[in-house]
Amino acid sequence: KAGVTQTPRYLIKTRGQQVTLSCSPISGHRSVSWYQQTPGQGLQFLFEYFSETQRNKGNFPGRFSGRQFSNSRSEMNVSTLELGDSALYLCASSASGPGGEPRGYFGPGTRLTVT
Amino acid sequence: GNSVTQMEGPVTLSEEAFLTINCTYTATGYPSLFWYVQYPGEGLQLLLKATKADDKGSNKGFEATYRKETTSFHLEKGSVQVSDSAVYFCALSDLTDRGSTLGRLYFGRGTQLTVWP
Repeated sequence: KAGVTQTPRYLIKTRGQQVTLSCSPISGHRSVSWYQQTPGQGLQFLFEYFSETQRNKGNFPGRFSGRQFSNSRSEMNVSTLELGDSALYLCASSASGPGGEPRGYFGPGTRLTVT
Repeated sequence: GNSVTQMEGPVTLSEEAFLTINCTYTATGYPSLFWYVQYPGEGLQLLLKATKADDKGSNKGFEATYRKETTSFHLEKGSVQVSDSAVYFCALSDLTDRGSTLGRLYFGRGTQLTVWP
């Protein structure tokens, strides 16, 4: 069974630009979560989607947005990039349904560098 | 609110030494607790988990027991190997519906472990 796929793996953008990151969950998983990892703030929750609906959102400005498609693939977008947005962005997928234990399978991440 | 505090690193050990990484939490309700491991250049891998008080999670020689009375979930391994060198994260999920999704994970700051041969 293929794992969580994130594309691209590395990205360099200029301040003020926007960026879109993609996450393909494990086949059959309907939930996708996004996290930002930085040396200063550690791992911080961005948002979680389930069946195309945002279920939970972290404390990030409105420049950070996401969506989930009918095939469970998810994208996150960051507009008007700032230097502080440089981070590793991790996506996790999890199974859902009655009796399923909560367990997150993380992808390898997208390393975003803003210059 | 929910939060996780884990011991500051880095931790440096010789091969076959005993490992303990402390983790305490603050949570409303009854969270699930996790340990994740991150190898250089990779994402997070679930190491073990516990979903209720007194549960013991174990995997690859690592163990952690969910202690509600002390709000702790310390990670232990009796004999570490060089291949255990990585960053370890303690986390909790605020999810109350266990049959659903992962919920929001709250992570500690991570503990860098280096094991020398």
